[in-house]
Amino acid sequence: QQQVKQSPQSLIVQKGGISIINCAYENTAFDYFPWYQQFPGKGPALLIAIRPDVSEKKEGRFTISFNKSAKQFSLHIMDSQPGDSATYFCAANAGNNRKLIWGLGTSLAVNP
Amino acid sequence: GAVVSQHPSRVICKSGTSVKIECRSLDFQATTMFWYRQFPKQSLMLMATSNEGSKATYEQGVEKDKFLINHASLTLSTLTVTSAHPEDSSFYICSARDRRGLITGRYGYTFGSGTRLTVV
Repeated sequence: QQQVKQSPQSLIVQKGGISIINCAYENTAFDYFPWYQQFPGKGPALLIAIRPDVSEKKEGRFTISFNKSAKQFSLHIMDSQPGDSATYFCAANAGNNRKLIWGLGTSLAVNP
Repeated sequence: GAVVSQHPSRVICKSGTSVKIECRSLDFQATTMFWYRQFPKQSLMLMATSNEGSKATYEQGVEKDKFLINHASLTLSTLTVTSAHPEDSSFYICSARDRRGLITGRYGYTFGSGTRLTVV
C-alpha cells in the first residue's frame, strides 16, 4: 500500500514555466514532509521540507504548499530551468525511528 | 554541512562473489544509518535501519543473511551483498542522521552518492 501518493509520474515544462508536483498522504502521524531532488547516478539531495504547522514554505524558486485538512502537499518550481531536469521525490515520516516513506517520483524535463 | 562519503561509486562483480559498500560520515557521528536500494526509474526502497550499538533492523522481505549490515563505528557503516546474483544488480544508497540532528538537522538526513552494483 502506497502511503504517499505522488503525481504526475512525469512532467515536461518549458523554460521559465512553473513546475508543480503533488503528493497526498494518509497517515496523520506524519510530521515531516521533505522533497528530494535526484540526478541520474546520484543520491537524492534535500531540496526543501515542511512541517504540518505551516501552510507554505519558500526557498528561492522552490515553494512547498501544505494542506493539512486535505492531507496534501505540493512542490512548485518557479521559473523552471533546464538544470532543474531531474527526478523529484516527496516523502514523509513520523515516529522515533524516523523512517522516510517515499513517493514514487516525478521525472521532470525542462525544455530550453 | 554534513557529508556522507559512499564508496565505491560503481562496482562490477561476478555472480557468487561478495561485494562490500562503505558509507562514512565525514564530519558528524552517524548514530542512525539507513540503507536503500533503487531500481531504474523507481523510488527508493528501504532495506534496513541500523542504530549505533544495535543490530540492524531489516524491512520485510529483505534477506538479512544476504545483505549484511555493519555499523562498525559512529562514522562507518557497511553493506555487504553476499553471494551476489544478477538480480541483486541495483543502485544502493545510504543515508545518515546524527543523534539529535544537530548536524543533519532535526528532521534531516544526509545521503551518500550511491553505488551502482552490476552482477555479471
